[in-house]
Amino acid sequence: DAKTTQPTSMDCAEGRAANLPCNHSTISGNEYVYWYRQIHSQGPQYIIHGLKNNETNEMASLIITEDRKSSTLILPHATLRDTAVYYCIVRGRGDSNYQLIWGAGTKLIIKP
Amino acid sequence: DVKVTQSSRYLVKRTGEKVFLECVQDMDHENMFWYRQDPGLGLRLIYFSYDVKMKEKGDIPEGYSVSREKKERFSLILESASTNQTSMYLCASRGRGVVLGYTFGSGTRLTVV
Repeated sequence: DAKTTQPTSMDCAEGRAANLPCNHSTISGNEYVYWYRQIHSQGPQYIIHGLKNNETNEMASLIITEDRKSSTLILPHATLRDTAVYYCIVRGRGDSNYQLIWGAGTKLIIKP
Repeated sequence: DVKVTQSSRYLVKRTGEKVFLECVQDMDHENMFWYRQDPGLGLRLIYFSYDVKMKEKGDIPEGYSVSREKKERFSLILESASTNQTSMYLCASRGRGVVLGYTFGSGTRLTVV
């Protein structure tokens, strides 16, 4: 079973911030939160990850709640090219099981 | 700037053929993975390798085998292709002991007729 819960789909206007939520209420202390996205007919692309502090890179920001049971991926100025399926995944650093559990993700549609 | 390269973007094969899907990474990663992706089923792990000549079964290894003779190359083999192996195949790699995410190839869309 997937360890995360995400909305099935979301819309966002071009130029606005896209905020994608993810619930991971059973996350354990050593598990990281990862975000990937998959543009149609391409392989998934790593976006960002975090443990407990908020993180920012050139692609996005990741906000993790204090209890770590949920997080939000923020695309600050969404463009049409950000239309994709976004996956939120939790994984421990020391996982001997290399498998990532991929849920259905959130289909984000950026509208002009 | 391509780091994980899959040999073919689209492939059409006949039932019963032996099929080779090749994946090469240039990041000196120890770990490499083969997934297949089907509508409604998400990504499912077929096989992975954590070192040269080492391999481990994933969730759905039946009908597949793999080969890792060199660190940078991980091959997926369909011994006798069947129509239910029509799918998008994705290769990924990741360094050992690092927290960074996986790097995926662009995928190979295989159709078995």
